[in-house]
Amino acid sequence: DTAVSQTPKYLVTQMGNDKSIKCEQNLGHDTMYWYKQDSKKFLKIMFSYNNKELIINETVPNRFSPKSPDKAHLNLHINSLELGDSAVYFCASSQPFTQGALEQFFGPGTRLTVL
Amino acid sequence: AQKVTQAQTEISVVEKEDVTLDCVYETRDTTYYLFWYKQPPSGELVFLIRRNSFDEQNEISGRYSWNFQKSTSSFNFTITASQVVDSAVYFCALSEEFRTGNQFYFGTGTSLTVIP
Repeated sequence: DTAVSQTPKYLVTQMGNDKSIKCEQNLGHDTMYWYKQDSKKFLKIMFSYNNKELIINETVPNRFSPKSPDKAHLNLHINSLELGDSAVYFCASSQPFTQGALEQFFGPGTRLTVL
Repeated sequence: AQKVTQAQTEISVVEKEDVTLDCVYETRDTTYYLFWYKQPPSGELVFLIRRNSFDEQNEISGRYSWNFQKSTSSFNFTITASQVVDSAVYFCALSEEFRTGNQFYFGTGTSLTVIP
């Protein structure tokens, strides 16, 4: 069983388009995250959701918006895509700190290419 | 300021050599967690180890070992008798409590190349 899944795995699109990346976890975790990994492999946290509440929102352009229909899903919507948005986006989930800050489980990543 | 520093950007070793990857962290919390992740060329992020701030006991798992020293705020990772399959980017991470959840901070990664 896949713990954290993301779709699509690859996404190629034109500048200015709007796209979404879906993420689902079947681990029963309370917290989910989105990370962006650039070409230099630097992992930057974008958002995290705890029990459907946004608790962290780093300095990410408001073209990016997370949507969590339920505890098991955290989708990433991107409007008006720009060349600089090209990266690999990882979804992750974890238990909350109060339960021992277990490791984050990562999805396989979505490679976004903006042309 | 960087919460997790991995000063070694790239390391190359010859197969069977030992290699240590350095990680220095910064936190004011008394309770925190440290992690190492591996990212092989295939791209997935693989969890290797978790340590809480109250457990400074070193750990060994096969060819892997970890040295946690609170006095120097370091959590170093050593691979003994390296193999080509160890070639990957390795990330050190810190988790702190944040409101009702937790925040993770990743280092910039160390790219390890093991030459056959």
